[in-house]
Amino acid sequence: QKEVEQNSGPLSVPEGAIASLNCTYSDRVSQSFFWYRQYSGKSPELIMSIYSNGDKEDGRFTAQLNKASQYVSLLIRDSQPSDSATYLCAVGSNFGNEKLTFGTGTRLTIIP
Amino acid sequence: DAGITQSPRHKVTETGTPVTLRCHQTENHRYMYWYRQDPGHGLRLIHYSYGVKDTDKGEVSDGYSVSRSKTEDFLLTLESATSSQTSVYFCAARGGFTGNTIYFGEGSWLTVV
Repeated sequence: QKEVEQNSGPLSVPEGAIASLNCTYSDRVSQSFFWYRQYSGKSPELIMSIYSNGDKEDGRFTAQLNKASQYVSLLIRDSQPSDSATYLCAVGSNFGNEKLTFGTGTRLTIIP
Repeated sequence: DAGITQSPRHKVTETGTPVTLRCHQTENHRYMYWYRQDPGHGLRLIHYSYGVKDTDKGEVSDGYSVSRSKTEDFLLTLESATSSQTSVYFCAARGGFTGNTIYFGEGSWLTVV
């Protein structure tokens, strides 16, 4: 059974600080990795995708992938109260990511 | 917005009754998915489709069936609803104009009493 593990939190971070979210996965052949943000009562929305080892930056968000250690992380710089949400890590087995396996999510709270 | 709409958005039904949730998309997505989301379990795949009339089971398919008679619509049916099927159901899709990223619909809140 493919597993994706996340710390459920809640993770509390002061406004303006860096929030660090982590995810580990069990399937070594996984090829595609995603971070989704989900506000309470809303659907997940994609914020980052990463396919290669290393860092990928998009605005205040940086995704980091280490396939050898089977972990993927998300950094949020200059955290804002609007970043308060649950962050879902998702892993696909190939570049076509026909099916994604999701972690249970980490609840992030940004403290003003 | 990836052109994915779900109906109904909210439904309360009685145990033992059949229920159908509809997912409609306008972006020519090839792949469509039904997930359910429950506290402590995250998003779990129920069924998915990789084309018209082509469907396959996910990890929690028992008690559910799906149909896809045309590209735009993917229906999820609970043959005989049970209280354990009370959940939030999300339709998702990828492929077509939006590429390979999976996008989600707004969700359908189902309560079985």
